[in-house]
Amino acid sequence: GAGVSQSPSNKVTEKGKDVELRCDPISGHTALYWYRQSLGQGLEFLIYFQGNSAPDKSGLPSDRFSAERTGGSVSTLTIQRTQQEDSAVYLCASSLGGENEQFFGPGTRLTVL
Amino acid sequence: QKEVEQNSGPLSVPEGAIASLNCTYSDRGSQSFFWYRQYSGKSPELIMSIYSNGDKEDGRFTAQLNKASQYVSLLIRDSQPSDSATYLCAVPDRGSTLGRLYFGRGTQLTVWP
Repeated sequence: GAGVSQSPSNKVTEKGKDVELRCDPISGHTALYWYRQSLGQGLEFLIYFQGNSAPDKSGLPSDRFSAERTGGSVSTLTIQRTQQEDSAVYLCASSLGGENEQFFGPGTRLTVL
Repeated sequence: QKEVEQNSGPLSVPEGAIASLNCTYSDRGSQSFFWYRQYSGKSPELIMSIYSNGDKEDGRFTAQLNKASQYVSLLIRDSQPSDSATYLCAVPDRGSTLGRLYFGRGTQLTVWP
């Protein structure tokens, strides 16, 4: 079956602009996670959705970051007033929930000029 | 804060050799353990999951888990140049961000012909 999909694959934007990144999880997966990976760095947790429950935003680095998940499926990560330090690969992952296996999408490479 | 530690490497082995990757974790109650492979410029790919003490084999890969020692390892037999990648050990959270993965910093493996 289809894996996790993300769009766009690449995004170049100017400092101060807003960007939206999309994630479409594996069908039937109730849990959805956003991470980011800066060049040469480890994976940083951003936000977690379980079904239709309110997300856990504990990993968001600033209030410029927000995310929503519509209908318990597709998720959008929005970064407002982008900064150069936001440049990274943004990864989405989904699972059946709990401590089950988690599968990653191909990521969105964000470059803020 | 959960901790996951990996021998940082880099690890270099000749083609056909056994590559041994190690990981320790801090949460004694953890039940699920994952190994991801990440090629340069790509997203993490799940290659092994293990839940019970002992060994789990899948093709050339063997995961070993010792919960008493809080230790999990990955052995790659008959290593191939195509195995050259960064290997990430991951342990899911059991708390408020259920399933959120805590990653080690990764071990960079190079298999030379």
